[in-house]
Amino acid sequence: SQTIHQWPATLVQPVGSPLSLECTVEGTSNPNLYWYRQAAGRGLQLLFYSVGIGQISSEVPQNLSASRPQDRQFILSSKKLLLSDSGFYLCAWSQEREGTYNEQFFGPGTRLTVL
Amino acid sequence: GEDVEQSLFLSVREGDSSVINCTYTDSSSTYLYWYKQEPGAGLQLLTYIFSNMDMKQDQRLTVLLNKKDKHLSLRIADTQTGDSAIYFCAERTGRRALTFGSGTRLQVQP
Repeated sequence: SQTIHQWPATLVQPVGSPLSLECTVEGTSNPNLYWYRQAAGRGLQLLFYSVGIGQISSEVPQNLSASRPQDRQFILSSKKLLLSDSGFYLCAWSQEREGTYNEQFFGPGTRLTVL
Repeated sequence: GEDVEQSLFLSVREGDSSVINCTYTDSSSTYLYWYKQEPGAGLQLLTYIFSNMDMKQDQRLTVLLNKKDKHLSLRIADTQTGDSAIYFCAERTGRRALTFGSGTRLQVQP
């Protein structure tokens, strides 16, 4: 069976510090991978998605970046955090198949607080 | 462009039916989804509907789709306290990713 891991679960960082959040998927190969952010009281905003190693699509301009160094590893980074980067970060994966509903499976999330 | 809107809050009594509404703007949506998020957790898919369907029923859940008005609803029959959560509507168009609404917080009063 497939599982998705995210760490850390919670993180408190000062403004201007770097960030690295990691997501790994087990039990599947060549998944599509996604990073979403959920700000307090708001919906999910897609930040990045990846259809393969080294292939990253950015949805919104920001001081965040993403990388996919391995097939089932997705990393979200920042060189200098802003207060507005606080939120709940969710990683998700899916297997794309034509003509199906292509469920996205979500990880447990990382709660980031920037002070 | 893509935009999905939901009301923010709904409160019902245990045993009543809950109806959560969603509107979307992209008429080329292929699938529409309802996800559930329990406190401090990720999202889980509850149900989905293909855009050529009007209704889908799955045990206590009924999804209604009105393509003309671009309106999607989720009805939960016999709502239980365990149904308390945030419910997200999402649409899928030509892109690989989903566009989510802001979520509706359902509170079930015992």
